Amino acid sequence: DAGVTQSPTHLIKTRGQHVTLRCSPISGHKSVSWYQQVLGQGPQFIFQYYEKEERGRGNFPDRFSARQFPNYSSELNVNALLLGDSALYLCASSLTVTMNTEAFFGQGTRLTVV
Amino acid sequence: QQQVKQSPQSLIVQKGGISIINCAYENTAFDYFPWYQQFPGKGPALLIAIRPDVSEKKEGRFTISFNKSAKQFSLHIMDSQPGDSATYFCAATTRQLTFGSGTQLTVLP
Repeated sequence: DAGVTQSPTHLIKTRGQHVTLRCSPISGHKSVSWYQQVLGQGPQFIFQYYEKEERGRGNFPDRFSARQFPNYSSELNVNALLLGDSALYLCASSLTVTMNTEAFFGQGTRLTVV
Repeated sequence: QQQVKQSPQSLIVQKGGISIINCAYENTAFDYFPWYQQFPGKGPALLIAIRPDVSEKKEGRFTISFNKSAKQFSLHIMDSQPGDSATYFCAATTRQLTFGSGTQLTVLP
């Protein structure tokens, strides 16, 4: 079985541009969460989607948005990129909305904003 | 406050030694406490997890000790190996995972 897959693995963007990151959860998992991991820090929660509905939002500006598709895959969009958006973006999938069962992470998308 | 404090920031142990990483939390609503291991360039991988009604959980060389009254929990890695060298994150969750700041573990051969 495939794990959580994220694409692309690496991305370089210019300040002010827009970026779309993609995530495919483990088959059967209906919850997808997005996290931002700045170098040297722990991941920070951005969004959770469950059954195609937003179920949680972290303390991130409105430039960040996401959605979940009928096949439970998800996209994270970031508009008007800033240098500070450079980070590893992680997607996690889980069976339940409460995240108190095992969450599986993809290997992330490394975004560099120049 | 949704915060998990982790220490130490970095840890160096000799092969065969015991690695101990500590975490403290504030939100009593947290109901699941996982530990993640992350290698460079990879996403975090679940190592071991505990629920607050249990004081200790052991899986192989890895043990979580949980003190509900003190709102603290720790990871013990017995017989540490060079392959254990990685960054370790404690976390706590209700709806989403709240991570500690990470501990970079180096096990010397």
